[in-house]
Amino acid sequence: QQQVKQSPQSLIVQKGGISIINCAYENTAFDYFPWYQQFPGKGPALLIAIRPDVSEKKEGRFTISFNKSAKQFSLHIMDSQPGDSATYFCAARGGSEKLVFGKGTKLTVNP
Amino acid sequence: DAGVIQSPRHEVTEMGQEVTLRCKPISGHDYLFWYRQTMMRGLELLIYFNNNVPIDDSGMPEDRFSAKMPNASFSTLKIQPSEPRDSAVYFCASSPGGSLAKNIQYFGAGTRLSVL
Repeated sequence: QQQVKQSPQSLIVQKGGISIINCAYENTAFDYFPWYQQFPGKGPALLIAIRPDVSEKKEGRFTISFNKSAKQFSLHIMDSQPGDSATYFCAARGGSEKLVFGKGTKLTVNP
Repeated sequence: DAGVIQSPRHEVTEMGQEVTLRCKPISGHDYLFWYRQTMMRGLELLIYFNNNVPIDDSGMPEDRFSAKMPNASFSTLKIQPSEPRDSAVYFCASSPGGSLAKNIQYFGAGTRLSVL
């Protein structure tokens, strides 16, 4: 299965709160899991990425948690800020340069 | 580097017309990708090239769509004839390829296509 399922479709969080976006996959050949951030009118841009031999990766306020046995991974945004309001895509790569993207989560952080 | 450059940014055309979208990848990148983004289907890969050669075009929706990469610095996506259901934002992305650490796809700003 070349799909990545992402939830929720939309998320509203108060400033300072934690935003959590979840993704699940079936293909065990996937070997690289990036998250992309997209602002309105712009193209997606790489935010953070993880490999399946690591259970967690943190960069500033952004953390990826990876559960290989459950075939799930999630993005946590700590101390969410209004500037984090964007659409977030999880993705997976396996066997080629192709990335399979989730459907996206529109995050709104209220001031 | 200026990043991935796409043109035009917006295109409005009538059903049945030919549409050509253009992309200039980042210099030195070996891979070029064309994506389509819609609310219903999200971000879909249409085709990708490695060193100017099409590697996987399984995402191209039908024969009305074609893509070329005549050299390392230019690619086109053509729709002929266009239909209203082709209305979407089309993105071009490029990546250097190689190790996973370098496997970052850099996206252009996209072309918003409206077919009336």
